[in-house]
Amino acid sequence: DAGITQSPRHKVTETGTPVTLRCHQTENHRYMYWYRQDPGHGLRLIHYSYGVKDTDKGEVSDGYSVSRSKTEDFLLTLESATSSQTSVYFCAISGAGGVVGAFFGQGTRLTVV
Amino acid sequence: SQKIEQNSEALNIQEGKTATLTCNYTNYSPAYLQWYRQDPGRGPVFLLLIRENEKEKRKERLKVTFDTTLKQSLFHITASQPADSATYLCALDMGRSATGNQFYFGTGTSLTVIP
Repeated sequence: DAGITQSPRHKVTETGTPVTLRCHQTENHRYMYWYRQDPGHGLRLIHYSYGVKDTDKGEVSDGYSVSRSKTEDFLLTLESATSSQTSVYFCAISGAGGVVGAFFGQGTRLTVV
Repeated sequence: SQKIEQNSEALNIQEGKTATLTCNYTNYSPAYLQWYRQDPGRGPVFLLLIRENEKEKRKERLKVTFDTTLKQSLFHITASQPADSATYLCALDMGRSATGNQFYFGTGTSLTVIP
């Protein structure tokens, strides 16, 4: 998976608790992304980063925050998990725009009960 | 509103035939269009990218076309094999800007190649 690791791979959490998902890359790519994938909706962009400490919102950012303090790490935090945030979360990285696409991690399956 | 639509949720074809998948979009102006393959339980894997000024791109048994007037891309797999069975996603690459390089994905088409 092109030097990109997500942790944890699976998590069950309770409604109202904060949750942090981690994405770690060894490719030194500038751009990093968090997506969620749900049946019928496909992959939806939550937040993305275009450099250390540079982040912006995607299509479905409500209830999520991100941080990027190092090139290699991009954290996604669910501030207060809700059942609607039960999903599979994918991290992706990209480097040279217009040459190759994005590389994806293995995904994190999050269940909020 | 902005939409990315892929022709159907599921497509079944006979082995050896050509599979054709469609990606239509509205209210986007992508710089590039990408296609990915996704297997169950795995992340998407990048296959091909085509630029807005290119009409066609080929890679082995894969062919992609891009019509910016119709706002449509077609993805062809020739001489299909059962191993090609997967979900295929199109993605709009908005190109680099000072504040990032965003990708937006369609919902995917599940392809099954029947032996």
